[in-house]
Amino acid sequence: SQQGEEDPQALSIQEGENATMNCSYKTSINNLQWYRQNSGRGLVHLILIRSNEREKHSGRLRVTLDTSKKSSSLLITASRAADTASYFCATVISGGYQKVTFGTGTKLQVIP
Amino acid sequence: NAGVTQTPKFQVLKTGQSMTLQCAQDMNHNSMYWYRQDPGMGLRLIYYSASEGTTDKGEVPNGYNVSRLNKREFSLRLESAAPSQTSVYFCASSYGTENGYTFGSGTRLTVV
Repeated sequence: SQQGEEDPQALSIQEGENATMNCSYKTSINNLQWYRQNSGRGLVHLILIRSNEREKHSGRLRVTLDTSKKSSSLLITASRAADTASYFCATVISGGYQKVTFGTGTKLQVIP
Repeated sequence: NAGVTQTPKFQVLKTGQSMTLQCAQDMNHNSMYWYRQDPGMGLRLIYYSASEGTTDKGEVPNGYNVSRLNKREFSLRLESAAPSQTSVYFCASSYGTENGYTFGSGTRLTVV
């Protein structure tokens, strides 16, 4: 079973609106990362949040982490058509490199 | 441009054929990884190399072998391809799990 699971599986919004994606996980983590994947391309690292952090910002991205609920959210503000992509969370558990687990992703469509 | 380079981008194999997927990074990263991406399954780790000279199995290693040729290069070999190995394969590198991964653009492999 997946450690990190994104919700919703798909999201369609108008350009200019905000997009929120959620990630839930099962076991305690060391850090959580968000990635973007454009169709047919590799994943691009967006932001990393450590277990002792609650919120991080990077440009139009805001990530929150609630370790008590074992969940994270990614907010993209003022979305653009170029934000159309799939977004993945990756949870990292201390103890080894094989403990990095990717979710199945949220497919975001931003309509111009 | 700095990054992770994968070759080939596309490949069609017949069942039972062998091939090697090549990966090279020029960011002086210690760790390298091979993932496969299948619809609805997210990314699954096949093998990883924490540092030059070491390799370890990930979640789905059966049917694959790897070689960490030097710090830059990490290859994935399919000795006898099977239709179940039809997938998109991604190589990634990082300084470790405390940092984000840099992904290559992927190899789309079809086994017929």
